[in-house]
Amino acid sequence: DIQMTQSPSSLSASVGDRVTITCRASQSISSYLNWYQQKPGKAPKLLIYAASSLQSGVPSRFSGSGSGTDFTLTISSLQPEDFATYYCQQSYSTPMYSFGQGTKLEIK
Amino acid sequence: QVQLQESGPGLVKPSQTLSLTCTVSGGSISSGSYYWSWIRQPAGKGLEWIGRIYTSGSTNYNPSLKSRVTISVDTSKNQFSLKLSSVTAADTAVYYCARERFGEFYNWFDPWGQGTLVTVSS
Repeated sequence: DIQMTQSPSSLSASVGDRVTITCRASQSISSYLNWYQQKPGKAPKLLIYAASSLQSGVPSRFSGSGSGTDFTLTISSLQPEDFATYYCQQSYSTPMYSFGQGTKLEIK
Repeated sequence: QVQLQESGPGLVKPSQTLSLTCTVSGGSISSGSYYWSWIRQPAGKGLEWIGRIYTSGSTNYNPSLKSRVTISVDTSKNQFSLKLSSVTAADTAVYYCARERFGEFYNWFDPWGQGTLVTVSS
């Protein structure tokens, strides 16, 4: 099984900050990596697919990069609505998908 | 715009079978390059993929749950369903249904249903 490890597990930041969240796969997954945002009591929302492709309707302050085992999600300028938990998910080992444990982004 | 909505009992007794249905609206469950998946999330924890179905009836399950899971589809009702047998407290979670888009290379989940909390307790 492919294990996905996110860091940090939690992060405090201020509105306007640039934030980076990291996701590491236990083996190479090429660019088969998706990012989701989840707000409390809500379903996850797709932000980024195929490591760096922005889902339609998602603000351009979100970006993804990486390939192989190391990936990053970057928010260029935090907005109040961005405080949420973020998950990475590998789609390399179809259909045995796995998610990272999540990174909770909190207001400083 | 496709929307998904889970429905089913919120409380299930230990050793019984959990049954949920996902109703798809705004589009046909039979159209396009999509699988239809179930994913769960225990309180305060991460996401676990349970399994998926294609409209042909072909299924794939998480090996850790495979012996207890059945996913089925009813294209006439634009619904797909989850059954999880012999449940224990460890199966208490929010259960999501989601559409899995698959392309030539990449797959992803979008959209998701709002989720439904299922508690296993006597």
